[in-house]
Amino acid sequence: QQQVKQSPQSLIVQKGGISIINCAYENTAFDYFPWYQQFPGKGPALLIAIRPDVSEKKEGRFTISFNKSAKQFSLHIMDSQPGDSATYFCAASGANTGNQFYFGTGTSLTVIP
Amino acid sequence: KAGVTQTPRYLIKTRGQQVTLSCSPISGHRSVSWYQQTPGQGLQFLFEYFSETQRNKGNFPGRFSGRQFSNSRSEMNVSTLELGDSALYLCASSPLTGDTQYFGPGTRLTVL
Repeated sequence: QQQVKQSPQSLIVQKGGISIINCAYENTAFDYFPWYQQFPGKGPALLIAIRPDVSEKKEGRFTISFNKSAKQFSLHIMDSQPGDSATYFCAASGANTGNQFYFGTGTSLTVIP
Repeated sequence: KAGVTQTPRYLIKTRGQQVTLSCSPISGHRSVSWYQQTPGQGLQFLFEYFSETQRNKGNFPGRFSGRQFSNSRSEMNVSTLELGDSALYLCASSPLTGDTQYFGPGTRLTVL
């Protein structure tokens, strides 16, 4: 049972465009939602994270939008650059779920120059 | 601070053998989690250790085991290796259980 569902599996965006990756979850006990960025040959690196008390969080070109009622959250990458080409993972965890992190299956983003 | 380190970075084993992977967390971090990453399955949770105690365990067979030492360093062991165990094994540390996880570069295990 996939606790966190991520889409799309792959995404191709032109340089300067907006990349949007979506995640949905079922367990309402989740209260922490991080996004990770992974380059080939490297481990995932934390990009940005949000808690359900806010609907949006922005850090530079990266924004998380959170919809608690729909149990969905998304990552928006504004002005996408070729250097953003990587695999992105969403995740969720909660104190009431043993603090275990559940990851989406990943989105491979390619930004075309 | 130095990041999470994992050794070895690459490993080739044959079916039936046993392997031990090592993880040194960020200094001061007491929680260490292990994940198996494969192209088709994404990141699959193996187990988490906190203060030398296993807190959570994923849905993996008993061939997969781990432990944590008093200095928070952790090892995971896979016995009787199978071809399907070929994967990138990632270790992540956090100050406390449930905190943001910081990943190491992983150990690439190939089983022939």
